[in-house]
Amino acid sequence: QSALTQPASVSGSPGRSITISCTGTSSDVGRYNYVSWYQQHPGKAPKLIIYEVNNRPSGVSYRFSGSKSGNTASLTISGLQAEDEADYYCTSYTSISTRVFGGGTKVTVL
Amino acid sequence: EVQLVESGGGLVKPGGSLTLSCTASEFSFSRYSMNWVRHSPGKGLEWVSSISSTSTYIYYADSMKGRFTISRDNAKKTLYLQMTSLRVDDTAVYYCARDLSSDVDYYATDVWGQGTTVTVSS
Repeated sequence: QSALTQPASVSGSPGRSITISCTGTSSDVGRYNYVSWYQQHPGKAPKLIIYEVNNRPSGVSYRFSGSKSGNTASLTISGLQAEDEADYYCTSYTSISTRVFGGGTKVTVL
Repeated sequence: EVQLVESGGGLVKPGGSLTLSCTASEFSFSRYSMNWVRHSPGKGLEWVSSISSTSTYIYYADSMKGRFTISRDNAKKTLYLQMTSLRVDDTAVYYCARDLSSDVDYYATDVWGQGTTVTVSS
């Protein structure tokens, strides 16, 4: 159950778009569309922002979108805002019925 | 308001045991799969364990298997995590989290508690 691979940090200017990658294997990301993304601000509980690769829960901004190609999923944040500065984690269901998180990506708004 | 409240965290010596609880309110607890997720200092989130609505299906991360036991009492709307043989690297904030849907498996969690802190240290 190795963690999914995410870049440690990504930064962007306000109004621009950034993309965070999440690389797994053919036993998790590549096998299932059960990839979800979470936003976590310091000291707060994680918040679900994307589920099933590209679905947004009610109330989540349209600026967040997800995609997947092969063993790699991606989260794009468009129109970057100061409030988007946070840690972002991907997670996937696995072939042994467990779940695995990525290492997390710190997003900095310049 | 849909809510999860964890309790039971604290300071414990290596090799010790601790049981965490998570009490649910304002939703049909018995219909949802539930999870424990932890966040270690300076590290990322780590999935710990999941339990289905009727406790039929239970899964653990490899590093917790044999040491942690997840359970639930639907009548009390409470989720538990019994932790034994605790190690220093089990130090973390432990969150309970509800699966997104009671009808469809999305393997995503949309309701989280505030977390309870477990510190393993001599």
